[in-house]
Amino acid sequence: DAKTTQPTSMDCAEGRAANLPCNHSTISGNEYVYWYRQIHSQGPQYIIHGLKNNETNEMASLIITEDRKSSTLILPHATLRDTAVYYCIVRVAYNQGGKLIFGQGTELSVKP
Amino acid sequence: GAVVSQHPSRVICKSGTSVKIECRSLDFQATTMFWYRQFPKKSLMLMATSNEGSKATYEQGVEKDKFLINHASLTLSTLTVTSAHPEDSSFYICSARETGNLGEQYFGPGTRLTVT
Repeated sequence: DAKTTQPTSMDCAEGRAANLPCNHSTISGNEYVYWYRQIHSQGPQYIIHGLKNNETNEMASLIITEDRKSSTLILPHATLRDTAVYYCIVRVAYNQGGKLIFGQGTELSVKP
Repeated sequence: GAVVSQHPSRVICKSGTSVKIECRSLDFQATTMFWYRQFPKKSLMLMATSNEGSKATYEQGVEKDKFLINHASLTLSTLTVTSAHPEDSSFYICSARETGNLGEQYFGPGTRLTVT
C-alpha cells in the first residue's frame, strides 16, 4: 500500500472550515483514499473514502486532485468535538488484499 | 451504523499471566477481523489479520505464540496475550470488516491493558 504524508498538527477556529491535506504521490490506480479520525483513547472512526471523484457525506467532503497525488478532507463547520487525530490512508480494495495501515496522521485542534 | 464492541475496556494483570480480549461485531457478520496495538502518542500498528475458521496472518515482527488469535465465528474474534510482560502494556484495538466485497471496516473502542 502506498505511503501518505500529512502535516503533524493543525489548528482551526470553531465554526470555520477545517481543510486537512494529504499527499499520496505514489498512489496506484486501484488504490482508494480513506480518512479516519481518532478521538483521544477511542477507536478510529470512519469518515469518508474515494477513488477518483470528489465525495461528500454528512461528516465531511473529500477532494481528490485530478492526478490523484493528493487529497483534502474538509470539515465544513468544525466544532470542538472534531478535535482528533485524522488519518489519511490509501489502500487497494479489500478483495485484493487491502489493509488499513495507519501513518502518523494530523492532530487537529479546534479552538473556541 | 455498524458497531464493534470490545471486552474488557480496560484490564490490569500481573506479569506472567495471560489475558484474553474479545472483539464482537454486533449487527453485522465479519469474515475478517484485524487487531492493532497503539502505544501512547503513537499511531496504530497492525498486528494481525484473522479470517473466520482459519489461522491468523501476523505482521512482520509480531510473535504469533505470544499473541494468540482465534476467530471462531462470524461475529467474534479473541486476542490472548500470553505470559504478559510490562512492555505488553498498550491500547489494543480490534476492527471488523463486513462480509462482502464492498464491506467496510469498523473499529472497536479499544482495550487498555496494563501489566504490572
